[in-house]
Amino acid sequence: NAGVTQTPKFRVLKTGQSMTLLCAQDMNHEYMYWYRQDPGMGLRLIHYSVGEGTTAKGEVPDGYNVSRLKKQNFLLGLESAAPSQTSVYFCASSYVRGGGYTFGSGTRLTVV
Amino acid sequence: GESVGLHLPTLSVQEGDNSIINCAYSNSASDYFIWYKQESGKGPQFIIDIRSNMDKRQGQRVTVLLNKTVKHLSLQIAATQPGDSAVYFCADFEAAGNKLTFGGGTRVLVKP
Repeated sequence: NAGVTQTPKFRVLKTGQSMTLLCAQDMNHEYMYWYRQDPGMGLRLIHYSVGEGTTAKGEVPDGYNVSRLKKQNFLLGLESAAPSQTSVYFCASSYVRGGGYTFGSGTRLTVV
Repeated sequence: GESVGLHLPTLSVQEGDNSIINCAYSNSASDYFIWYKQESGKGPQFIIDIRSNMDKRQGQRVTVLLNKTVKHLSLQIAATQPGDSAVYFCADFEAAGNKLTFGGGTRVLVKP
């Protein structure tokens, strides 16, 4: 089925380790986003991209980096993981900014 | 800052009854409002949206009402079914500021 695919689904990191979360969409959407979801805080935007080769900071960008080398992929990197980055991460894509988003199924990350 | 919020964290509904989920917003410049459904372990799923120049919009078993006077948004689910059990949250989008803000969510529990 067409949609947004995130890998991995689960990951446990030690403090200081690095990792990359991969998001892939096959809907030819221009816009892609990375959110984190924490209990009682809703979805918060980390970084987003308005097209291939572009990235922009969202609401909570510190400690994360992103890249959009190909239109269909949006990578989220954690250079030095911290316990505060324990969260569920969601990738989303859309045809227009603010339009009905298609979300991936999420990555549950635990930093110990 | 301005934000979108939800009044009730949990709503218990008898199967077959109608559900009403409420959302208050504060940004009078918001152009567009969206409702999402998130089932356990899954990503948010688009349900229905409404533009700021509309008062009501209907979908399949769902209706969104927008009251700009009191800055209130609601989602009505007709004949609630067990499959409607999920967390529902609203979001608002301001085109000028290019900002999409999600609320914290309301959990709907459908009792058989």
